[in-house]
Amino acid sequence: GENVEQHPSTLSVQEGDSAVIKCTYSDSASNYFPWYKQELGKRPQLIIDIRSNVGEKKDQRIAVTLNKTAKHFSLHITETQPEDSAVYFCAANLGGSARQLTFGSGTQLTVLP
Amino acid sequence: GAGVSQSPSNKVTEKGKDVELRCDPISGHTALYWYRQSLGQGLEFLIYFQGNSAPDKSGLPSDRFSAERTGGSVSTLTIQRTQQEDSAVYLCASSLEAEQFFGPGTRLTVL
Repeated sequence: GENVEQHPSTLSVQEGDSAVIKCTYSDSASNYFPWYKQELGKRPQLIIDIRSNVGEKKDQRIAVTLNKTAKHFSLHITETQPEDSAVYFCAANLGGSARQLTFGSGTQLTVLP
Repeated sequence: GAGVSQSPSNKVTEKGKDVELRCDPISGHTALYWYRQSLGQGLEFLIYFQGNSAPDKSGLPSDRFSAERTGGSVSTLTIQRTQQEDSAVYLCASSLEAEQFFGPGTRLTVL
């Protein structure tokens, strides 16, 4: 069926290094790709999103890239800090749904001081 | 402004009992979603309400699960005859456009 796959499931980096999380999706009709951050015991919160009419979007230390042809998108965090430690979820609106999202399985990012 | 709220924050119940979980979305948001998050797992879609349209129930795992949304606002997720595998955090989200805003979740424990 239609799904979103996310890798890796866990990622540890040294403080100051970069972290990259990758997702692939199955439906070429998808056109909205958000990333959510969930800190331990907290609710998921949107950190950045991208639509299919652009290939890259940046917000300070966070960037997302999208390759529509290959149907994959990635989250890049530069100059990582301990407070970046959390679970990150990618999502896509499979079927081009206006609002319904399918989430990846999550990546536990640990930034080591 | 007020975000999405859920109640109760924690619920412990015995196997076989029914439970009701409540979600208050952000005022004016037309879409409301329920997800289930088992320990260390991702977000499993359960059900989606959009305005006055029939809900998308395609994610409900069994007929023991149901949800309603009254007056286009508050939603209740009901789990009948709870089982131990129902133990999880149940998250509600609402949206006006694409971005979904999540509530704090209800942690359900079935003994």
